Amino acid sequence: GAGVSQSPSNKVTEKGKDVELRCDPISGHTALYWYRQSLGQGLEFLIYFQGNSAPDKSGLPSDRFSAERTGGSVSTLTIQRTQQEDSAVYLCASTGQGVGTEAFFGQGTRLTVV
Amino acid sequence: AQTVTQSQPEMSVQEAETVTLSCTYDTSESDYYLFWYKQPPSRQMILVIRQEAYKQQNATENRFSVNFQKAAKSFSLKISDSQLGDAAMYFCAYRSALKTSYDKVIFGPGTSLSVIP
Repeated sequence: GAGVSQSPSNKVTEKGKDVELRCDPISGHTALYWYRQSLGQGLEFLIYFQGNSAPDKSGLPSDRFSAERTGGSVSTLTIQRTQQEDSAVYLCASTGQGVGTEAFFGQGTRLTVV
Repeated sequence: AQTVTQSQPEMSVQEAETVTLSCTYDTSESDYYLFWYKQPPSRQMILVIRQEAYKQQNATENRFSVNFQKAAKSFSLKISDSQLGDAAMYFCAYRSALKTSYDKVIFGPGTSLSVIP
């Protein structure tokens, strides 16, 4: 696609429910990132996929969070048993293989846990 | 591991004035790229400017310029003739230029810039 696409753009869920957030990176981009951003705050790194390498999961805050990337393209971030503190904007980004190419970001998914 | 630091969580500038946002980084590599991103209230991240470490000349994009001091590992962003539309969160970022399988982009914590009319 022309840019990084994330869906849904907004999600309201009840505490304790599971949610899935989707990211469709730019075609051909080998690297994909998930970040969490609370209102007015910086980017909290969650997970990084690069090609066929094992993902860097060092930023996942708890075992309720998981992500997968199928076929080296679309990624899904899953949050199980959501808590109110999970409310935030979840941003996805992708980068190409070219040296020095920048990260391209999606518009994010605003998750609200009530 | 590389780290990126932005020591100013918040900054403000008068419209039409100049403001400089600070960024320092830590790396043992000699070849890398540095970036400044802008995130306006719409939350869409936009690349503002990019600097290649092996280039001594500071990058410039219209009203945006950088002061890249490689030895000091400093990469500040100068915004001239500030406009209301410059109000945003600004992120400094680092990416290795080494063609390894692990070249994660590292972001700083961000600086929130307000522009005062």
